Amino acid sequence: EDKVVQSPLSLVVHEGDTVTLNCSYEVTNFRSLLWYKQEKKAPTFLFMLTSSGIEKKSGRLSSILDKKELFSILNITATQTGDSAVYLCAVSSGTYKYIFGTGTRLKVLA
Amino acid sequence: GAVVSQHPSWVICKSGTSVKIECRSLDFQATTMFWYRQFPKQSLMLMATSNEGSKATYEQGVEKDKFLINHASLTLSTLTVTSAHPEDSSFYICSARLDPWSPLHFGNGTRLTVT
Repeated sequence: EDKVVQSPLSLVVHEGDTVTLNCSYEVTNFRSLLWYKQEKKAPTFLFMLTSSGIEKKSGRLSSILDKKELFSILNITATQTGDSAVYLCAVSSGTYKYIFGTGTRLKVLA
Repeated sequence: GAVVSQHPSWVICKSGTSVKIECRSLDFQATTMFWYRQFPKQSLMLMATSNEGSKATYEQGVEKDKFLINHASLTLSTLTVTSAHPEDSSFYICSARLDPWSPLHFGNGTRLTVT
C-alpha cells in the first residue's frame, strides 16, 4: 500500500531557530514529491522535487530529495512566527494519484 | 501564475438541501482537477478525480450520487453536495494542475456547515 509518513507530527520552536521536517514514502511508480504550507485555508505550494540530490531553495526554505532512501527534508532557517503552519508532504504516483502525509504542525514562538 | 479560485469560501445550509461549490483555474487550463475533504487537524482526503469531458473517478467509500462532480470545461469543475446532512459538514478543497508534470495548486477551500 502506498504511504507517506511525516515526522515529527508537531514541533514548537523559538524565532530564529532552524527546523528540519521529514517526509518518507513508499509508493509505486514515483513521479514527484511536493511540499505545501497550510495555514488557515488551503495549502500553498512550496516545492516540487523530482531528482535526487538537487536542492531547491526559496528564501529561508530549502528542500532536497533522496530517491534511493525514499525521503525528503524541508529546512527552514531563521524561523519567524509567520512560519507557523502545517507543512504537508505529498507524493505523486503515476498520472493521477497524489498521496498526502498527515503533516507536521509547526509553531514558532516569538 | 497558477491561481485556483474556489467559491464560495463558506456556506451554511439546512439539512436536505443541495450545495454547489465551484473551482476555477484562472490562468491555466486544467485537464484534471481533484476534490478533497479535510477534517479538523487531519490531512487531505481525496474524494474524486475530475477529468474534463468525462466522468469523475471516485475514491472508495465516496458516494458518487451524493457528491456530484462536473468538469464541463478546462477551467471549471463543480462539486454538488446533494441532500446535505450535518455529517457532510467539513472543509472541501479543490486543486488543479496544468499537466501530470506540474504541481497541484489549491483553491482556498469551502467550509460547509449543514444545520
